[in-house]
Amino acid sequence: GAVVSQHPSWVICKSGTSVKIECRSLDFQATTMFWYRQFPKQSLMLMATSNEGSKATYEQGVEKDKFLINHASLTLSTLTVTSAHPEDSSFYICSANYGRDRGSSGANVLTFGAGSRLTVL
Amino acid sequence: RKEVEQDPGPFNVPEGATVAFNCTYSNSASQSFFWYRQDCRKEPKLLMSVYSSGNEDGRFTAQLNRASQYISLLIRDSKLSDSATYLCAVMWSGNTPLVFGKGTRLSVIA
Repeated sequence: GAVVSQHPSWVICKSGTSVKIECRSLDFQATTMFWYRQFPKQSLMLMATSNEGSKATYEQGVEKDKFLINHASLTLSTLTVTSAHPEDSSFYICSANYGRDRGSSGANVLTFGAGSRLTVL
Repeated sequence: RKEVEQDPGPFNVPEGATVAFNCTYSNSASQSFFWYRQDCRKEPKLLMSVYSSGNEDGRFTAQLNRASQYISLLIRDSKLSDSATYLCAVMWSGNTPLVFGKGTRLSVIA
């Protein structure tokens, strides 16, 4: 099955530093990847859509200069949290479109990375 | 604003019980519907897609009501291992991202 590898799983950093999170599709090509963020007891909120070879599309309220997304190849997308602050502490998860549901829904199926838990001190 | 709404729970049920969750969505043109399971501090994992005609996978049954814009998940014969947060997710169309509800917390008690 489709696997999306995400790392680091955990990261603790000092306020003001930058943190890079990588998301790789291991056995398929992903022209599009989605980056989500989840605060405690909240839902997954879409931050941005990462497109291979072009600029990412950011959701309203997400600062593109703070959350830098690079999708340089069909198997790798990176999210860099620049000048991180404690309020950026969250669970960041990437996902990629793997293909169509084999059942009757025919829907596109997203597969998720294992997530990266960021703690900014 | 496109939204997906769920009752956050928690639902505390004894082993063997039947429990049902509902989820409503705002965009009537939505095309694809899913239920995900998320364990504490883990990524969501696909539990099942929701087909137009409804579908069953073992103890789990999913239903879609397009007219009322809601989807449901029924869990029969609850197991302790079913304890988790259940997220409904909707895809508006094609290659768009999933929009998630806040999730419903289920605790199955021995």
